[in-house]
Amino acid sequence: NAGVTQTPKFQVLKTGQSMTLQCAQDMNHNSMYWYRQDPGMGLRLIYYSASEGTTDKGEVPNGYNVSRLNKREFSLRLESAAPSQTSVYFCASSELAGGSGELFFGEGSRLTVL
Amino acid sequence: RKEVEQDPGPFNVPEGATVAFNCTYSNSASQSFFWYRQDCRKEPKLLMSVYSSGNEDGRFTAQLNRASQYISLLIRDSKLSDSATYLCVVNAYGNKLVFGAGTILRVKS
Repeated sequence: NAGVTQTPKFQVLKTGQSMTLQCAQDMNHNSMYWYRQDPGMGLRLIYYSASEGTTDKGEVPNGYNVSRLNKREFSLRLESAAPSQTSVYFCASSELAGGSGELFFGEGSRLTVL
Repeated sequence: RKEVEQDPGPFNVPEGATVAFNCTYSNSASQSFFWYRQDCRKEPKLLMSVYSSGNEDGRFTAQLNRASQYISLLIRDSKLSDSATYLCVVNAYGNKLVFGAGTILRVKS
């Protein structure tokens, strides 16, 4: 029972490089989310997708783009990585939109930008 | 003022102790409240939702005080396995959940 799967788990980039974080869920959830977690700041929402075909900005969207490829998959792209994007990234999904349901998280992707 | 604030701790307690954490939120219109648990270098997982009348799940009790805009988590008879970071989560604006920075609990034998 995989739940939410993120790849890669670890990545080191140089400033200016691009990369895509992949996320897939097998729970048939409608809503998917990308968060970043930095020390002392809690998880901050980057982008979310309330349902297939829709995406919306969260609290910290600058420097990121997302694609809801289908109901299962939601990818996060860094077009030109910056050291400020060094963080742990979590993908999550929920059955309900609107912040009323349980979030199920992937194991996280640890990104370092040099 | 942050939308969701927690005492970062750490709270260092002996096994068997009772410990309580508070979390304050700024948006009086918030409707949904949760406690998540996050083990070191792991993903957050839902511990329990917080209901208006308060709710209990085994050794864990959650309460909501709308007048003072805070939620609390009480852990009785602490176990070593309770050591973790506890995240307060509120739908502070729109339809999006806002996470507190977390409270670290260390239970020692």
